[in-house]
Amino acid sequence: EVQLVESGGGLVKPGGSLRLSCTASGFSFSNAWMSWVRQAPEKGLELEWVGRVKSKAHGGTTEYAAPVKGRFTISRDDSKNTLYLEMNSLKTEDTAVYYCTREYWGPDYWGQGILVTVSS
Amino acid sequence: DVVMTQTPLSLPVTLGQPASISCRSSQSLVHSDGNTYLNWYQQRPGQSPRRLIYKVSNRESGVPDRFSGSGSGTDFTLRISRVEAEDVGVYYCMQATLRLTFGGGTTVEIK
Repeated sequence: EVQLVESGGGLVKPGGSLRLSCTASGFSFSNAWMSWVRQAPEKGLELEWVGRVKSKAHGGTTEYAAPVKGRFTISRDDSKNTLYLEMNSLKTEDTAVYYCTREYWGPDYWGQGILVTVSS
Repeated sequence: DVVMTQTPLSLPVTLGQPASISCRSSQSLVHSDGNTYLNWYQQRPGQSPRRLIYKVSNRESGVPDRFSGSGSGTDFTLRISRVEAEDVGVYYCMQATLRLTFGGGTTVEIK
C-alpha cells in the first residue's frame, strides 16, 4: 500500500523558515517523481502546485511555481525514502495545507496534508 | 503558464441524476509524445484529493464506472451518470502536459 506521510508543519512568523518532510512507503521511491501541492484556506479550495523533483534517472532536477521560486527548495533522500520542502522567507500568503504527492502522469497518490501557518 | 477554467463553480444535483463538469485549458494539452495529460480529482470534505481519471478518459482502479472523462485539445468534461450521496465534494481538473496547473474546482452538492 502506498503511503505518504508529511511532517514538520506548524506556526512560523513572516520572514521565517520551515522544513517539511514526507516519508514514503509502498513503492519504489527512487524511481518516482515527487511533487508538493498546497491548498490555502483563504483562497477558497484552490489547489496550487508548488514544485517537483524528478527521479535521479531523469536527472533529479527540480521545477518550481513562480510564487515560490527562489524561496522554496525541494530535495530528496532516496536512501531514506524521504522528500523535503525547505521554505524560506515565508509570507502570510504561504499559509496552506501542504500535500506531498507522487507523480505519475500527474499526482496519483497524496499524503494527508500538513498545515503551515505564517502569522505574526 | 497554462490556465485551467472549470465550470460551473457549484453544481447542485438530485440523487440519481447525471452531472457534468467542464474544463477548458488556455492552450492545447496534447504533449509532444502524443498523450494528453488531463486528470480529474475528487476531494471529499476533510480528505485529500483522489485521482479519478487520468489522461482524459482512463478511470483509476476502484473508481465506479458512473464516472467518465472525455474531451480533446482544450475542452474536457467529467460526467457522473447517476449521482450518489458519496459523490459530494469538490472536483478539479488538472493538466500535467506543461508543468502542473489545476482548475479552480467545482463543488458538487445534493439538492
